This record gives sequence, structure tokens and C-alpha cells, in this order.
Amino acid sequence: KNQVEQSPQSLIILEGKNCTLQCNYTVSPFSNLRWYKQDTGRGPVSLTIMTFSENTKSNGRYTATLDADTKQSSLHITASQLSDSASYICVVSPGSGGSYIPTFGRGTSLIVHP
Amino acid sequence: DTEVTQTPKHLVMGMTNKKSLKCEQHMGHRAMYWYKQKAKKPPELMFVYSYEKLSINESVPSRFSPECPNSSLLNLHLHALQPEDSALYLCASSQGPEGLGGELFFGEGSRLTVL
Repeated sequence: KNQVEQSPQSLIILEGKNCTLQCNYTVSPFSNLRWYKQDTGRGPVSLTIMTFSENTKSNGRYTATLDADTKQSSLHITASQLSDSASYICVVSPGSGGSYIPTFGRGTSLIVHP
Repeated sequence: DTEVTQTPKHLVMGMTNKKSLKCEQHMGHRAMYWYKQKAKKPPELMFVYSYEKLSINESVPSRFSPECPNSSLLNLHLHALQPEDSALYLCASSQGPEGLGGELFFGEGSRLTVL
């Protein structure tokens, strides 16, 4: 069964600090992994996409890593801002031959305090 | 235009009402989705339309009835709902056949409250 596990479930940090969110998956075959940011009461917005051959990808203060061998990904947020307070969801899409429906993690709730 | 537009943003309805949620995208995407999201939980897939045909129904109760009038529009008709159906309903779209591996573009959601 395809699964995506995220940790921690919630995280509180001070403004300006860095943090790292984790995602482990068992989706097979693998196509890509995306990190979404979801503000409370709004739709998720894609931050990064990682394919099998990519190890690191950055989008501003967000840097995602992927280890396809261990099936792990991380999202590193640098110099956090109050606006980073949101839920961060890891979504893994299967490749051909499997169900084409993406599998969602339960998300990490990040709160940034001033 | 990279937007998925959902209306209404908020909807309050009684258990005997009939209402509809609407979703529109003009990105030429051929797969469209309805997701249901409860507080502090990830979105749960309800329906997938591919090339305007229903391709996946995740055992959703018949009080939810999807409709895809054309490639840009997706509706969700609601009838005889229960209070536990109160949630954020998200519409999404993606490129390609049935969105294989494609990025999901989400709308802002419709917040539904059933009294």
C-alpha cells in the first residue's frame, strides 16, 4: 500500500530560525514528490517538485532534498518568516504501472512566532 | 492564467437543501478532481474526471453528485447532506491523461457547513 509519512506533526519556531521537515514514502513505482504549502482555510500551493534523478531543489528560502534510495525527502526553510506559518504537505505521485493517484502525507503544521 | 476558481467560498445549508459547488479552470488541463478536507487532516480524494469522463469515484455517498459539463468546468451537486459532511471542498486540476504524475493545481476551496 502506498504511504507517505511526515514528521514532525507540528513544529513551533521563532522568526528568523531555520527548520527542516521530513517525509518518508513507500510509493512504488515512483514518479515525483512535491511539497505543498497550505495556509489555513485555503488551497494547497506547490513549492517544489523532485523527480527520481534530482537530489536538491531550491525555491527562494525553501530547499527540498530527495534520497530515492532511502525514499526520504526533506524540506528546509531558511530564515523563517511569520508568513511561513502553514501546513506543509508532502505528496508523492506514482509512475506508470501503478495507480496514478497521488498519495498525500498528513502534513506538518508549522507555527512561526515573532 | 494558472488559476482554479471555486465558488462559492462559503456555503451554509440545511440537511434538506440542494446546492452546488462550482469549479473552473482555463489552463487546458484534462484532469479535474474533487477533494474533501477536514480540519488538520490532508485532502481526501472524492472524484476524478479525465477528458470529461468520471474515472474515479472513491466510494463517495450518492448525496454527492459530480458533473463535468465541459473541459473547463466541474460541479459538485449536494443533496440531503449530513452535518459530518461539513468540510473544506477543494477542486484541483492537472495536465495530461488522468493527471499522471502531474502537478495538482488547487482552488481556494469552498467551506461547507451543514446545519
